[in-house]
Amino acid sequence: EVQLLESGGGLVQPGGSLRLSCAASGFTFSSYAISWVRQAPGKGLEWVSGISDSGSSTYYADSVKGRFTISRDNSKNTLFLQMNSLRAEDTAIYYCARGIRGLFNDAFDLWGQGTMVTVSS
Amino acid sequence: DIVMTQSPDSLAVSLGERATINCKSSQSVLYSSNNKNYLAWYQQKSGQPPNLLIYWASTRESGVPDRFSGSGSGTDFSLTISSLQAEDVAVYYCQQYYNTPPTFGQGTKLEIK
Repeated sequence: EVQLLESGGGLVQPGGSLRLSCAASGFTFSSYAISWVRQAPGKGLEWVSGISDSGSSTYYADSVKGRFTISRDNSKNTLFLQMNSLRAEDTAIYYCARGIRGLFNDAFDLWGQGTMVTVSS
Repeated sequence: DIVMTQSPDSLAVSLGERATINCKSSQSVLYSSNNKNYLAWYQQKSGQPPNLLIYWASTRESGVPDRFSGSGSGTDFSLTISSLQAEDVAVYYCQQYYNTPPTFGQGTKLEIK
């Protein structure tokens, strides 16, 4: 089955760190750029970060630049998001999503179920 | 960043009736070299991730019922549901992928009247 499965979310204090993972299966992971998209409770969708198929190029929203780091391990079909200096406004469900053309700036045809990150003291 | 603005914010339509959601981009998302509009539509049901309905503004994703259609070009787009079904209750989002970062509209909540 073609799927993405996120993990690693949880409750963290402001200023803390968290590492999210996204495990891919059922398709050639190394052929696709993958993005992280988040959704704050009751709010809309916000693209957070994207990484090229090889991992050589990475992109970030201004809201997370300098705090979040995206990476991938193509040998393990896994995407990561290292989140540092977390703020209350980072509280959201974090989805990984695959671009339909294999790009990160793309229409997203495959989404994971999401992992919840709560930043609170 | 390209700003995507949807209207209305919420919509109530009777079963079997037509529903139309509009999306306007702050700049054109039509790429002249290939004449494609870099615009997608998603459906998000409660407690679920978004589901791609339409891309290239009017191309229906595989498995999407043909009552869903997308239209428009440049900066103005629409998603139409020709005959609303109960399972279409959801929030709908448009998204541009013309520029980095990709950006989404604020969402339109569709309910049954």
